[in-house]
Order: sequence, then structure tokens, then C-alpha cells
Amino acid sequence: DQQVKQNSPSLSVQEGRISILNCDYTNSMFDYFLWYKKYPAEGPTFLISISSIKDKNEDGRFTVFLNKSAKHLSLHIVPSQPGDSAVYFCAASGNYGQNFVFGPGTRLSVLP
Amino acid sequence: GAGVSQSPSNKVTEKGKDVELRCDPISGHTALYWYRQSLGQGLEFLIYFQGNSAPDKSGLPSDRFSAERTGGSVSTLTIQRTQQEDSAVYLCASSSDTHGLTDTQYFGPGTRLTVL
Repeated sequence: DQQVKQNSPSLSVQEGRISILNCDYTNSMFDYFLWYKKYPAEGPTFLISISSIKDKNEDGRFTVFLNKSAKHLSLHIVPSQPGDSAVYFCAASGNYGQNFVFGPGTRLSVLP
Repeated sequence: GAGVSQSPSNKVTEKGKDVELRCDPISGHTALYWYRQSLGQGLEFLIYFQGNSAPDKSGLPSDRFSAERTGGSVSTLTIQRTQQEDSAVYLCASSSDTHGLTDTQYFGPGTRLTVL
């Protein structure tokens, strides 16, 4: 039973447009969330985080939104660039950074 | 500075053999994690080391899996009597764990294990 779900295995977006990647979780004890980006043959790279005391965190082109009541978070990338094409993983933790549970990932393709 | 390194990058082994995978974390990072990613699956947590505390082994899938962390630095993940379902990319991550809420994990490139 997956505790962290990313229901879209893939997403295609035109360059310059907004990419929205979604993540749902089932465990209400999760209080810290991360997004990672992964290129082929490389390890995941940290993108952005959010704790449960916030509902939004922004870093450059990347914004993460958290809706605790819906147990849903999303990553917005604006504007999308071809270099953003990668697999994006959502991860959640219930103990301030220990024992992260990862979603299955969403493959983003940004088309020029 | 140097990131997390893992060796070997690829390992092909026969069913039933033992394998050792190595992780060198970022210098000074007290926390170290092992994950695996099977084809088409998300990252699966295996084990977590924090300083000198007893490791959290709750993610290890069977007693064929074990891990050590010597001197609070290098870690070795050992899989005994490998099975075909052990084939996956094994990822190591480390973090400084000095700020609690900002426990960003930095990942190595992974070891691709193929069990024939």
C-alpha cells in the first residue's frame, strides 16, 4: 500500500509554460516533504522542501504547495525549460527528516 | 566539494552469490541512508544511520540484507545469497542533520545490481 502517490507517471509541457506535478499521501503523521529531480544514470537531486507549518514555499522557478487537509502537495515549475526534463520524486517524512517515503516518480518532458 | 560516491557503479552477479556495495558520504555528514529503486518503482527506504545511534533497519526486506557504517563514515550494504528480485539500483544518501527541518539528503549516483 503506497503511502506516497504520484498518479501521473508522465507529463509533457511546452517550453515556457507551467509544469504542475502532483503528489498525494495517506499518512497524516507526515510533516515534512521534499521534491527531488533525477536525470538518467544519476542520483536524485534535491529541489525544494516544505514543512507542515507552511502551505507554500518558493525558490526561483520552483514553488511547492501543501494542502494538509487534502493530504496533497504539488510542485509548480514556471517557466518550464527543456533542462527540466527529468523524473520528479515526491518524498514525505513523519519525523523531521528521518525515514523518507518516496513516491514512484513522474517523468516530465519539456518540449522546445 | 566532493559529493556522495558509490562503488561499483555496476555489478552483475549470479544468483546465490553475496555482494557488497559501498557508499562514501559527504565528509562531515552524520546521517546516511540506503535506498533501492526497482524498475518502474519509487525509491524504497532500506536503512538509516545517524551518528553513533543504533541504525534504523526497518526497511530491510529480509535478513539477507545487512549494512554497516564504520567510523561514522563509509557504509557497506551487503546482500547475501542474492536473488533475481534483488536486481535494482541501490542509492546511498547522506545529510548533515544539523538543522532538523532542513535535513536535505544528497544522493550518490547509485549502484546498478543485476542478479542473473
